[in-house]
Amino acid sequence: EIVLTQSPGTLSLSPGERATLSCRASQSVSSDFLAWYRQKPGQGPRLLIYGASSRATGIPGRFSGSGSGTDFTLTISRLEPEDFAVYYCQQYERPPLTFGGGTKVEI
Amino acid sequence: EVQLVESGGGLVQPGGSLRLSCAASGFTFSSCAMSWVRQDPGKGLEWVSTIGGNDDSTYYADSVKGRFTISRDNSKNTLYMQMNSLRAEDTALYYCVKRPRIAADGPFDFWGQGILVTVSS
Repeated sequence: EIVLTQSPGTLSLSPGERATLSCRASQSVSSDFLAWYRQKPGQGPRLLIYGASSRATGIPGRFSGSGSGTDFTLTISRLEPEDFAVYYCQQYERPPLTFGGGTKVEI
Repeated sequence: EVQLVESGGGLVQPGGSLRLSCAASGFTFSSCAMSWVRQDPGKGLEWVSTIGGNDDSTYYADSVKGRFTISRDNSKNTLYMQMNSLRAEDTALYYCVKRPRIAADGPFDFWGQGILVTVSS
């Protein structure tokens, strides 16, 4: 099983600031199969990035993904109020599909 | 507009059974693999199961293998999860999730709102 470790656990920032979230895998993950999701309170997660760096439909340009192998990064260039939420990385290369423990971005 | 509406959750005693349903609309259901993901309230996400678009391939997490069965009815645009021998640790919010293509190798591109399953005596 591929274990994904996200850091930091909580990120305290202000609107307009840049957020950098990390996801480290216990073994190499193909970049084609790494995704990021945002979950707001009381809602299901929303796909932001797939294939490590491709933005999903309707996702604004302030979100970008990068990385390869075992180290991946989600960057939010300028935080909007709706971006204060929990973010999860996920590998969907092979079962069991696994998620990271999440990073909470708070004001 | 894609919609996924889960139903069938509730309170059940340990050892009991439940059947979750997910009514899908706004996309060609038979062309997309589907999954179930669960979330302990206030905690992280756990993939539970996946079924291919043609119903010809199914995958399960070890934690539910042999107890849960995923299925689909493409004529009704509906996904199911039969849950047997339920345990307290199965208590969670269960999400119905769409995949972008018929094979079970894409990201989770749309999620339902979730349905709560509580296993308790």
